[in-house]
Amino acid sequence: GQNIDQPTEMTATEGAIVQINCTYQTSGFNGLFWYQQHAGEAPTFLSYNVLDGLEEKGRFSSFLSRSKGYSYLLLKELQMKDSASYLCAVTPEKYGNKLVFGAGTILRVKS
Amino acid sequence: EAGVTQSPTHLIKTRGQQATLRCSPISGHTSVYWYQQALGLGLQFLLWYDEGEERNRGNFPPRFSGRQFPNYSSELNVNALELEDSALYLCASSLRTGRNQPQHFGDGTRLSIL
Repeated sequence: GQNIDQPTEMTATEGAIVQINCTYQTSGFNGLFWYQQHAGEAPTFLSYNVLDGLEEKGRFSSFLSRSKGYSYLLLKELQMKDSASYLCAVTPEKYGNKLVFGAGTILRVKS
Repeated sequence: EAGVTQSPTHLIKTRGQQATLRCSPISGHTSVYWYQQALGLGLQFLLWYDEGEERNRGNFPPRFSGRQFPNYSSELNVNALELEDSALYLCASSLRTGRNQPQHFGDGTRLSIL
């Protein structure tokens, strides 16, 4: 089966740094994606990791360790608009382009 | 550049009816994906179409079906609607080349079954 785990909710303060973890156990692995979804809106693509290490993109960074089945999304200099659900998704190689999503982490940024 | 567009935004049906949801991909994208997002659950993969063919299917009954047209737009059909089909249905598109192409999502169709 496919299993992707993320914390359900997190709260952080404006201007701070927050790390959202994701662990996965899938039948195969061909990449890990992070998406942001504001309430009532479409998920928007944030980052993609297929090799171990850190990918940095402005205030957002994503890390992958394939041997540990682990990824995290790091958000720096938090802004109120970062309050959203963050979705971790894996492409299991066996299933082609199908994305398997975790349930998402609701991040609340407080002032 | 226009994003992925879906119609209708909302759809209300009763049990046993049939629903048709539509999706237009980003220009240049040949792959279209359908996902179901039920309340409190993560996105569940439904179908993947590319170049007019169904390429992969999620763990859903056969009454969920669809097709992709020559212009790469797509339809999702749900027959014999059940109460548990109430959900947000999201369409995504991507370039075909390689599995690392990010999928870009539309705003979804909210299907409510009464």
